[in-house]
Amino acid sequence: QKEVEQDPGPLSVPEGAIVSLNCTYSNSAFQYFMWYRQYSRKGPELLMYTYSSGNKEDGRFTAQVDKSSKYISLFIRDSQPSDSATYLCAMSFYGNNRLAFGKGNQVVVIP
Amino acid sequence: DTGVSQDPRHKITKRGQNVTFRCDPISEHNRLYWYRQTLGQGPEFLTYFQNEAQLEKSRLLSDRFSAERPKGSFSTLEIQRTEQGDSAMYLCASSVGGTNTEAFFGQGTRLTVV
Repeated sequence: QKEVEQDPGPLSVPEGAIVSLNCTYSNSAFQYFMWYRQYSRKGPELLMYTYSSGNKEDGRFTAQVDKSSKYISLFIRDSQPSDSATYLCAMSFYGNNRLAFGKGNQVVVIP
Repeated sequence: DTGVSQDPRHKITKRGQNVTFRCDPISEHNRLYWYRQTLGQGPEFLTYFQNEAQLEKSRLLSDRFSAERPKGSFSTLEIQRTEQGDSAMYLCASSVGGTNTEAFFGQGTRLTVV
C-alpha cells in the first residue's frame, strides 16, 4: 500500500463548476498537508499548506483535512479554464521535510 | 526572478553517458531537496540538504547518483552511466529553516536517455 493514495483519473468539468479532489493516507504520523498545482512540463506550484484538521480557504480554493479519517480534500470554486492542470497532494511528518506525494489528478475545465 | 532555478531544462543523452544537473535555490533558503518524477506519477524524494550537509538519501538514489551542495548554495545532481530507466523529470525544491516549512519547486530538468 502506498503512503498516499490519489485516484489519478482525469476529471473534466464545465467552466464555473466546483472541482473536488481528494487523497487518503495510511500513516497517521503525517502532520502537514499540501496541495500543489502542476502545469504540463512545469514544476509543481504550492497552492495550499495546512497542518490542522478543518478547512482553510484562499480565494477560490479550500483545503480540508480530516486527520481522524486520514483524508484530505481540495475544492476549487467557480473553476476557470486556467485551472486546467494536474493537482498533487503532498504530506510530511513532523520534523521531517521529505514530502510524500500522491499520483496527481489531471483536471480539465471546459469553457 | 527569485524562484528556484534549474539548468538545463532539457537534456538528451545516450545510455552510458554521465549527466549533471544544477539547482540554484531561493537565496535565503538553507534547505534543498531533489525529487524525481516520471510520467503519470507524483514526485519521489531523492535527497535533502541542510546548508552543505546531505542529511537524508532515499533508497531510490542508487550508487550511480550523487548530489552535492558545496558552500550551502547551489546544488548539483550527477547521474553516472545513465540507463533508460533514468528518463524522468528531476525537480529541485528549497525551503527556509524551521520545522516543516513550505517547499518551493523549480521548473525541473527533463532527462531523456536514448
